[in-house]
Amino acid sequence: EADIYQTPRYLVIGTGKKITLECSQTMGHDKMYWYQQDPGMELHLIHYSYGVNSTEKGDLSSESTVSRIRTEHFPLTLESARPSHTSQYLCASSGQTEGTGANVLTFGAGSRLTVL
Amino acid sequence: GQNIDQPTEMTATEGAIVQINCTYQTSGFNGLFWYQQHAGEAPTFLSYNVLDGLEEKGRFSSFLSRSKGYSYLLLKELQMKDSASYLCAVTPLMGGATNKLIFGTGTLLAVQP
Repeated sequence: EADIYQTPRYLVIGTGKKITLECSQTMGHDKMYWYQQDPGMELHLIHYSYGVNSTEKGDLSSESTVSRIRTEHFPLTLESARPSHTSQYLCASSGQTEGTGANVLTFGAGSRLTVL
Repeated sequence: GQNIDQPTEMTATEGAIVQINCTYQTSGFNGLFWYQQHAGEAPTFLSYNVLDGLEEKGRFSSFLSRSKGYSYLLLKELQMKDSASYLCAVTPLMGGATNKLIFGTGTLLAVQP
């Protein structure tokens, strides 16, 4: 079944540690995204990619980095985690839906990061 | 700047109808989406409007007026499982980056028995 997977779902880590949030999709989508969402707040785009070797920063400034070496894989890395990085990180990919032609985002379940 | 406004919270009764409004001010317009997000879960796609008018999909309908920068999501025959946050999102026209969605803060709907 085509889907999008994120690991880990939950991560509690100390300040200064390096972390990588994994995101993989099996839908063959070219476009992938990382959003950050705090409780009760809107989703903010922090990174996006339109294909292999293409990455761009989103509207919300983030100290994280991303890479897109394979179409299906779009990991996010924080070199040195800080408490201000505590948040939920949602990965998404998009493709056109039949009928509407809309480019619909399909989200992963999210990675909830807590930095102590 | 880009701005999307939705009510923060709404309460409705099981079996009733509820309308969730969304107004937007963006640099151009290339489509409006509604997503549903249950607590602790990922958002899931509900509807898409790019032309004025009403789009109906089962118990859910979505309306768009581009001249007014306004949309609403209509939920009929409410069920307890409809308790969730409903996110309005707009694709502005930003050069070639037409897939970058701007999200509102979401409307938390509580359905009561």
